[in-house]
Amino acid sequence: SQQGEEDPQALSIQEGENATMNCSYKTSINNLQWYRQNSGRGLVHLILIRSNEREKHSGRLRVTLDTSKKSSSLLITASRAADTASYFCATDAQGAQKLVFGQGTRLTINP
Amino acid sequence: DAGITQSPRHKVTETGTPVTLRCHQTENHRYMYWYRQDPGHGLRLIHYSYGVKDTDKGEVSDGYSVSRSKTEDFLLTLESATSSQTSVYFCAISDPRLAQETQYFGPGTRLLVL
Repeated sequence: SQQGEEDPQALSIQEGENATMNCSYKTSINNLQWYRQNSGRGLVHLILIRSNEREKHSGRLRVTLDTSKKSSSLLITASRAADTASYFCATDAQGAQKLVFGQGTRLTINP
Repeated sequence: DAGITQSPRHKVTETGTPVTLRCHQTENHRYMYWYRQDPGHGLRLIHYSYGVKDTDKGEVSDGYSVSRSKTEDFLLTLESATSSQTSVYFCAISDPRLAQETQYFGPGTRLLVL
């Protein structure tokens, strides 16, 4: 079962532009997380947003959560070549230790 | 990679052979996880451990077993490897002393079953 569905599957933008990717999920959650994966590497945690939060910021990252629509978005502002990676959302709908990941958005930043 | 090592990093094996992957951590983290990553499926949880000798199944546990006889090592065993188990396997940890919900991932093991 795929709890998190991400959109778009792939995104290509110019350096300096903003990148937005979306995640939808099916059942109630306590929190939603975003991870980044560089090619050939493990995932790296970016940010966690709890179900009672609507927006959270971390540096150039802005995450929103709409529990009524069961969706979240990740905005990366002023993108850089180093932001090229795959981005995954993960929810705890099956329990705190049973994260369920989306299929990911592959982001390419063109110089 | 949060002090997590995985071995081997790459392995090629034949259908029907047993395979054991090792995840090692040095910081006494309580929770350890095994995931597989396949194109089109993201990461899927295979098994996880919440302490020595305490394990539970994940979403795709069939064909896999795990063991955790000491805190630092979490072993994933494919008793009889099949081609459908060709994948990239990631180990992860989480820790109530840090942010419990956040998971930290190892570098991965690429397994090819011929």
